[in-house]
Amino acid sequence: DAKTTQPNSMESNEEEPVHLPCNHSTISGTDYIHWYRQLPSQGPEYVIHGLTSNVNNRMASLAIAEDRKSSTLILHRATLRDAAVYYCILSPGNTPLVFGKGTRLSVIA
Amino acid sequence: DTGVSQDPRHKITKRGQNVTFRCDPISEHNRLYWYRQTLGQGPEFLTYFQNEAQLEKSRLLSDRFSAERPKGSFSTLEIQRTEQGDSAMYLCASSMRTSGRGYEQYFGPGTRLTVT
Repeated sequence: DAKTTQPNSMESNEEEPVHLPCNHSTISGTDYIHWYRQLPSQGPEYVIHGLTSNVNNRMASLAIAEDRKSSTLILHRATLRDAAVYYCILSPGNTPLVFGKGTRLSVIA
Repeated sequence: DTGVSQDPRHKITKRGQNVTFRCDPISEHNRLYWYRQTLGQGPEFLTYFQNEAQLEKSRLLSDRFSAERPKGSFSTLEIQRTEQGDSAMYLCASSMRTSGRGYEQYFGPGTRLTVT
């Protein structure tokens, strides 16, 4: 499975935008870039996914580099409820997910 | 859509005992996944089903582990002769695999197992 590299932790102020980076230099042509997050004491939650083009949904935006070797999850206005571990995962879809350790996001009021 | 449910939420057992967990996926989701998560780590894949067929088992799934999805709806995960190393959160997820869909997996709250 292709690997992703994420910072261990990041910090943001409440109501500020947050950019969570992910490097995936060995991504294959069929891999989608998926983001999940896990709030404390809960199961992971789907956030967004994309293939080549940038994607937006009600939760976040996903910016994908032109060479697809990196991507950034953007939370437009961080709230305290966004404090979680964020996982960047490569998968062709419809397959088991391979989670790394993710990025622990702290949001400061 | 009531979400994925898991039962029980917590289980404490003594080493050597057998335990069984249940997962109820979102109705009409044809794929069901089991993952295990230990403290400070991301979830690790154990096994998954499409309808009642078990498609893949991780090498993490030793002979003491067995999973079933008898009618393609709920699933059970049984651990026989539990060991302290089995202590973890067991997560279930479901998805709807159709053409152009199925990329999102919906996770349940997990069953936390403690083996003493």
